[in-house]
Amino acid sequence: AQSVTQLDSQVPVFEEAPVELRCNYSSSVSVYLFWYVQYPNQGLQLLLKYLSGSTLVKGINGFEAEFNKSQTSFHLRKPSVHISDTAEYFCAVTRIQGAQKLVFGQGTRLTINP
Amino acid sequence: GAGVSQSPSNKVTEKGKDVELRCDPISGHTALYWYRQSLGQGLEFLIYFQGNSAPDKSGLPSDRFSAERTGGSVSTLTIQRTQQEDSAVYLCASSRLQGARDTQYFGPGTRLTVL
Repeated sequence: AQSVTQLDSQVPVFEEAPVELRCNYSSSVSVYLFWYVQYPNQGLQLLLKYLSGSTLVKGINGFEAEFNKSQTSFHLRKPSVHISDTAEYFCAVTRIQGAQKLVFGQGTRLTINP
Repeated sequence: GAGVSQSPSNKVTEKGKDVELRCDPISGHTALYWYRQSLGQGLEFLIYFQGNSAPDKSGLPSDRFSAERTGGSVSTLTIQRTQQEDSAVYLCASSRLQGARDTQYFGPGTRLTVL
């Protein structure tokens, strides 16, 4: 089975500051990794995904994430955040073979303060 | 183009009643997923439809939950004899292909409140 741990339930930062949202996963088989964002009262939107190749993945809205296989991590970063980045962020994995359901972490609520 | 749509957006029901939640996937998407988002359990997988194959029902929490997908398009999630612990946001997603690498696109969800 797969599991995902998001180490911070809430992250407050000031506008234009950098941010890192941490994600670690556990799996006995190879997985793909995803970050989704959920704005208030909206559904989930894909930020970025790691399938293969370069371990640094760039996504929408200036976000990027780095896959580290040895540390089983997939941390999300942005060098300078905006008020509009206030949202909940979910890290997720899915098996490359077999069941194609997404397994999500508990989410990190990012709050940007002016 | 149109995204995944779900109806109703909000549903309030009394304990013991049955409810039906509807999902319209993106046109042409062959795979459809249901997830549940609740305060206590986070985001959980419920069921997955892939083309004409038998659905993966491994995430359904009890036999009160069932889902069908008619004509490879619209899906209905039915909860019978609702309980208060069923209160949650039910999210539907679809993807163009059946592979794990394909992006799942989510609808806005149906917020279910069981009184």
